[in-house]
Amino acid sequence: DVKVTQSSRYLVKRTGEKVFLECVQDMDHENMFWYRQDPGLGLRLIYFSYDVKMKEKGDIPEGYSVSREKKERFSLILESASTNQTSMYLCASRSGQGGEAFFGQGTRLTVV
Amino acid sequence: TQLLEQSPQFLSIQEGENLTVYCNSSSVFSSLQWYRQEPGEGPVLLVTVVTGGEVKKLKRLTFQFGDARKDSSLHITAAQPGDTGLYLCAGSVGGATNKLIFGTGTLLAVQP
Repeated sequence: DVKVTQSSRYLVKRTGEKVFLECVQDMDHENMFWYRQDPGLGLRLIYFSYDVKMKEKGDIPEGYSVSREKKERFSLILESASTNQTSMYLCASRSGQGGEAFFGQGTRLTVV
Repeated sequence: TQLLEQSPQFLSIQEGENLTVYCNSSSVFSSLQWYRQEPGEGPVLLVTVVTGGEVKKLKRLTFQFGDARKDSSLHITAAQPGDTGLYLCAGSVGGATNKLIFGTGTLLAVQP
């Protein structure tokens, strides 16, 4: 069974903390994505990666960075968490253009 | 920045009714997908359309890709409570990278 695994389902962090969200896929996919999901806004793309060590900014990259040192792992980093980064974060992977995107179950992050 | 606008944002209907959800953009996409998301889960792929004017049917669901590959629609016939969920369109942006952006979402509630 194919799988995208996010390290935490729920996280509570304090303002100013550095936060790491981890995502691992077991499908040997080239492409991995980080989205945040807020009511009424759908999924907004933060960053994506199309190969190891390759990354591109999505539509809302401010306040975030990413790391892809290995093909199966894509990490999202909040350099200094702020309350407006409270959200549901979803990781996805897919093999190529037009391919199905497989999602993790999401991390609900609350910044207090 | 490519944008995918969905309408309506919310839809509450009775079992047995028909409905159509629209996904519109000013950008051209190499392919377009529809996903459904249930509470606490990541989105799951329903269909992929790649050719302008293409129509695909999946039981009571009919998907259409616009001739210019900028828009799409999802039509559900005789909706059932099991169709309840968040429907998301997603467009693939062509080129060397495989950017995948999502629409704003349509939350459908089908009352028994």
